Amino acid sequence: DAGVIQSPRHEVTEMGQEVTLRCKPISGHNSLFWYRQTMMRGLELLIYFNNNVPIDDSGMPEDRFSAKMPNASFSTLKIQPSEPRDSAVYFCASSTPLPGLAGNEQFFGPGTRLTVL
Amino acid sequence: DQQVKQNSPSLSVQEGRISILNCDYTNSMFDYFLWYKKYPAEGPTFLISISSIKDKNEDGRFTVFLNKSAKHLSLHIVPSQPGDSAVYFCAASARTGNQFYFGTGTSLTVIP
Repeated sequence: DAGVIQSPRHEVTEMGQEVTLRCKPISGHNSLFWYRQTMMRGLELLIYFNNNVPIDDSGMPEDRFSAKMPNASFSTLKIQPSEPRDSAVYFCASSTPLPGLAGNEQFFGPGTRLTVL
Repeated sequence: DQQVKQNSPSLSVQEGRISILNCDYTNSMFDYFLWYKKYPAEGPTFLISISSIKDKNEDGRFTVFLNKSAKHLSLHIVPSQPGDSAVYFCAASARTGNQFYFGTGTSLTVIP
C-alpha cells in the first residue's frame, strides 16, 4: 500500500527560477498538508487543503509561494521566483478528515530537499 | 510565534537507559498531542499520541505523559536502543481546528 508520494526527492536550482514540488496523498485521505522543515522553526505548516479546497494558507511565506490541488490525488507547491532562503526540506502529508482524533494522525511523504543557489 | 516548543535540540543517552524528551505548549485549546519520529532522508512517522482526557499513554517501550496544568508533555523511552536514534517532533492540535502545530524537534542519539 503506497504512502504519500513526493517528487522530486531532490531539487537544485538557481535563484530566480521557478520550482514545482509535487505530492500524491494516500488514497482516501481528504486532507493534505504542505510543510517546510527548517532548523529554526522545525516543521512549519505552509498550507492545507480539505477535499481539494485550500483552508488555511496563512503559513505561506509570501506571494512567491502558491499551492494547488486540482483533484484528490495530486497537489503542487510552486515557488516563483525562488530565492536561496527558500532552501529547505518540503514535506507533504495527508490524513483522514478529522485530525485531532485518535488514529487520525498525519502521514508524511519522504520530502523534497530544495537547494536554491 | 512557536506554540509548541522543544527546548532541547539534542539529547544523548546510553543504550539501555531511559530517554526523556520534553515539550511545552502555550495554547490552552490544544487537546490532542502526538510524537513523531524522523530518520534522515525520510518523512516523520507517527509514534504515539495522547488525548487531554488522559495523563499517560503507554505503547511498549514508549510512554507519553501529559501535565495539562503545566502545559507540558514528555516522551519516555525505556530501555533506549540504538535504533531509537532519530529526531523526535512533538505536535499538538485542537479539535476545533484542522492542523497540527509542531515543535522544532529533539535529536536523540542512543550510544551503544
